[in-house]
Amino acid sequence: KNEVEQSPQNLTAQEGEFITINCSYSVGISALHWLQQHPGGGIVSLFMLSSGKKKHGRLIATINIQEKHSSLHITASHPRDSAVYICAVAPPEYGNKLVFGAGTILRVKS
Amino acid sequence: DTAVSQTPKYLVTQMGNDKSIKCEQNLGHDTMYWYKQDSKKFLKIMFSYNNKELIINETVPNRFSPKSPDKAHLNLHINSLELGDSAVYFCASSLTGIQTYEQYFGPGTRLTVT
Repeated sequence: KNEVEQSPQNLTAQEGEFITINCSYSVGISALHWLQQHPGGGIVSLFMLSSGKKKHGRLIATINIQEKHSSLHITASHPRDSAVYICAVAPPEYGNKLVFGAGTILRVKS
Repeated sequence: DTAVSQTPKYLVTQMGNDKSIKCEQNLGHDTMYWYKQDSKKFLKIMFSYNNKELIINETVPNRFSPKSPDKAHLNLHINSLELGDSAVYFCASSLTGIQTYEQYFGPGTRLTVT
């Protein structure tokens, strides 16, 4: 079983919908990262968080350290949000090594 | 003013050949990484260098040899390429310290071995 599990694996939404992607992990961490990868594109870091909540534009990331769970929310989704969203955790005993989830493929239809 | 750059972007080669991928960062970071992304988009770390010193070396075949001539560069050389080496390889960089820092990724190099 992977140390980082994401759900759902695939998600199709209509433009304007509120989207939630979940990430659960089984190890202690110093931080959790949310990454975005557009089709054929590079990887962009969206958030790095170790507690609470962060917001950037229409994106919101939350983390519950006790429950070992994080969520990425997208409000007022748009077709340009279509991408793979990847959760990654940084266990402190691993140094700078990130452990990745399998990713969530999001498609937003207009 | 690209932060993390990789060359080439695409690499098509035959089995048995030797090839190199180059990575450079201009962010002043002291740690650089190589990741492999398989056909299912799953990312896995291969190597990590801090100030030119190898820090992380996952279970990667000896055919893969990273080289860091300075803090700003981390190259990946692959000998005797195999079909299973086909993947997208991402370079990344970050600062290091007691806390965890954000990693910045390069655009990726899509390697196809025929």
